[in-house]
Amino acid sequence: AQSVTQPDIHITVSEGASLELRCNYSYGATPYLFWYVQSPGQGLQLLLKYFSGDTLVQGIKGFEAEFKRSQSSFNLRKPSVHWSDAAEYFCAVVRQDGGSQGNLIFGKGTKLSVKP
Amino acid sequence: NAGVMQNPRHLVRRRGQEARLRCSPMKGHSHVYWYRQLPEEGLKFMVYLQKENIIDESGMPKERFSAEFPKEGPSILRIQQVVRGDSAAYFCASSGGAQGLFGFSFGSGSRLTVV
Repeated sequence: AQSVTQPDIHITVSEGASLELRCNYSYGATPYLFWYVQSPGQGLQLLLKYFSGDTLVQGIKGFEAEFKRSQSSFNLRKPSVHWSDAAEYFCAVVRQDGGSQGNLIFGKGTKLSVKP
Repeated sequence: NAGVMQNPRHLVRRRGQEARLRCSPMKGHSHVYWYRQLPEEGLKFMVYLQKENIIDESGMPKERFSAEFPKEGPSILRIQQVVRGDSAAYFCASSGGAQGLFGFSFGSGSRLTVV
């Protein structure tokens, strides 16, 4: 069955430092991948998505992600973190195996804290 | 150009009562998905509906939970005889097509507290 793993539960970075959040997926064919951000008590906002084509995807708020098929990864990066980036980040893949398809499978999330 | 609208934002129910959560999809979207988020967990898929049809309810608990998306009006997630373990945030997402190829838009969620 398809799955998404976010190995880091909680990450703390200093403001202005670079950031990389890890995401690994399991699926044999080309996955449809997403990164969402959730601020406390809020809904999910789409940061970026990958369906096909260029493996480096640009998103909103200065985020980017790189799809690496050989590593089954879709890591999220930002060159310089701002205090407002503190939130929880979820990686997700569209379900494409068996049964009904099209819903999202989420990782457990990575909570990002930003030090001044 | 309203996005996905969910209400209520917060709902408190006593054990044994019923909870009804509503979701109006984004304009033009005919695919609705419900997800549940437990504390310290990611979102778990519950049910996928199109107008008047349940496409996939493989994530729904077998008892007490039901969902509908009528021809007119919002989608409704109904939880009967709520228990403490039902306390969670319930999110609705909508999509303009199958497979999520057009992307998913999420509502702000309904936070259910069972006391």
